[in-house]
Amino acid sequence: DIVMTQTPLSSPVTLGQPASISCRSSQSLVHSDGNTYLSWLQQRPGQPPRLLIYKISNRFSGVPDRFSGSGAGTDFTLKISRVEAEDVGVYYCMQGTQFPHGYTFGQGTKLEIK
Amino acid sequence: EVQLVESGGGLVQPGGSLRLSCAASGFTFSDYSMNWVRQAPGKGLEWVSYISSRSSTIYYADSVKGRFTISRDNAKNSLYLQVNSLRDEDTAVYYCVKGWDPDYWGQGTLVTVSS
Repeated sequence: DIVMTQTPLSSPVTLGQPASISCRSSQSLVHSDGNTYLSWLQQRPGQPPRLLIYKISNRFSGVPDRFSGSGAGTDFTLKISRVEAEDVGVYYCMQGTQFPHGYTFGQGTKLEIK
Repeated sequence: EVQLVESGGGLVQPGGSLRLSCAASGFTFSDYSMNWVRQAPGKGLEWVSYISSRSSTIYYADSVKGRFTISRDNAKNSLYLQVNSLRDEDTAVYYCVKGWDPDYWGQGTLVTVSS
């Protein structure tokens, strides 16, 4: 099974400063259909997860443009250009390429304000 | 507006059963595959099960295979998860998730397995 490894696991950030989270998969996430099913989720305290980015770099509806995703193959990055207070929470990368084994999630990265 | 509302969770003894439901609205339910994902208290996310739009393809995580059964009723815009032979480690919030790009998540329903 594909293992997803996120770094860092905790990220204290100053308001208005950038933040970056890395995600590495144990195998290439390029699907036979040519897509790479790598998504990023945000989970605010006490809330369900929310989709931010899908297929590496596509921002989901309503997601602020300060969030961006990049990468290819096995290495991916989520960047927040200027952190706001509402960005506090846990961020997960997840892969949906390895069917029929379902989704695999990273361990989560806790973003907090310094 | 897309809405996914889970129900059916609760406190159950080890070995017991529950039927979780997810009521969907705001989109053409029969056009989309659906998933169940769970989160143990204070822990990360774990995929549980997948069902295609017409129920022709179903998959389970190894941890629940043989104990959980996913189903859907497109006429009722509803997704289900029958959970049997529950174990302590099945204690979690169970989320209903729309599509393979997991674009919408319900608020979740808490299943607590304890004697």
